[in-house]
Amino acid sequence: DAGVTQSPTHLIKTRGQQVTLRCSPKSGHDTVSWYQQALGQGPQFIFQYYEEEERQRGNFPDRFSGHQFPNYSSELNVNALLLGDSALYLCASSLEGGVGEKLFFGSGTQLSVL
Amino acid sequence: QKEVEQDPGPLSVPEGAIVSLNCTYSNSAFQYFMWYRQYSRKGPELLMYTYSSGNKEDGRFTAQVDKSSKYISLFIRDSQPSDSATYLCAMSAGSPGRRALTFGSGTRLQVQP
Repeated sequence: DAGVTQSPTHLIKTRGQQVTLRCSPKSGHDTVSWYQQALGQGPQFIFQYYEEEERQRGNFPDRFSGHQFPNYSSELNVNALLLGDSALYLCASSLEGGVGEKLFFGSGTQLSVL
Repeated sequence: QKEVEQDPGPLSVPEGAIVSLNCTYSNSAFQYFMWYRQYSRKGPELLMYTYSSGNKEDGRFTAQVDKSSKYISLFIRDSQPSDSATYLCAMSAGSPGRRALTFGSGTRLQVQP
């Protein structure tokens, strides 16, 4: 059973560029959440997608946007990259309404902005 | 002040020791409490999941939640070098699959052989 998969694993960009990160949820899961983890910090919630709609959003600027596809996979887009966007970006999935539903994380995409 | 406070460590213990990890929080709406383990350059792995107050045991791991004190703990018995990782507490006001998790900053644990 494949877990949450993310691509790419590493990415280097320069300030002002745009980036797209991809996520495939765990088999059977239909809800995808994105988190940003800066070095030495805990993950911070960016947003959550369910039924192809953004259901909840954290305290992140509009430069951060996302999308969920009919097969439940998801993309995170970041425009006008800043140095401070350098972080590990984590995708997590869950099953809506699952018994004691839990959140499972992928290994993340390490983004470096130069 | 952060919603969830966690001592960053590092915490170094000898193999076989009992480890105690803790978090305090300020938001009384939190109902779901989790502990994740994160190895270097990997995503967090769910270790323990508790709803509301009480204790939960799973093998060498015991999670405790005291909502009256806004305090949660994770105990690791007979610690092993393979337990060396960063431990993150996380909590949410609603079901974790539907609501955002709020994480502590993590405690780095090193178990010496």
